[in-house]
Amino acid sequence: GAGVSQTPSNKVTEKGKYVELRCDPISGHTALYWYRQSLGQGPEFLIYFQGTGAADDSGLPNDRFFAVRPEGSVSTLKIQRTERGDSAVYLCASSLTGGGAAGDTQYFGPGTRLTVL
Amino acid sequence: AQSVSQHNHHVILSEAASLELGCNYSYGGTVNLFWYVQYPGQHLQLLLKYFSGDPLVKGIKGFEAEFIKSKFSFNLRKPSVQWSDTAEYFCAVNAATGGGNKLTFGTGTQLKVEL
Repeated sequence: GAGVSQTPSNKVTEKGKYVELRCDPISGHTALYWYRQSLGQGPEFLIYFQGTGAADDSGLPNDRFFAVRPEGSVSTLKIQRTERGDSAVYLCASSLTGGGAAGDTQYFGPGTRLTVL
Repeated sequence: AQSVSQHNHHVILSEAASLELGCNYSYGGTVNLFWYVQYPGQHLQLLLKYFSGDPLVKGIKGFEAEFIKSKFSFNLRKPSVQWSDTAEYFCAVNAATGGGNKLTFGTGTQLKVEL
């Protein structure tokens, strides 16, 4: 079975531009998560989807960041008016049920490395 | 709010040496605990996890971790490391109930095993 996939693997953009990052979760996983990992740090939570709805978006740093999951499968993280400080690896993960249930493990994709010049 | 501390940022060991990586967390409720590993050029992979029951958890590749509730710790151990264990190791926690499923990670420990 395929794991979590993310595209593109690398994205270089200029300050002020708009970017979209895509995540394709493991088939059948209802929960999907976005994290951001800066150099020398552990991943930091951004947003969590249960099905099509954002169950927790408390980690989004500001209103330039937005994510959707319209059909409960693929998700897109959207960043408007990118800034140099947005440069990081953006990780996506999925899990079977979500909600902290015992045995519910998050499986991570390879990430998208975003560089804002 | 949850937080995770990993005290060792860089560890260098010789092959066959024993390993212990520290992890302490801060959270007032019941937690699930995880160790993830990231090998060079690869994505994060689950090494082991603790949800309930026996506090000594065994994972893949001979790794184990012990949950000590009184110390808020979940240290990772391996009796004899191999060169192929060179990687970055992340401890993570989430709330077992009521806090959603978001993971809080430590800053990671870079392990280098020398031949």
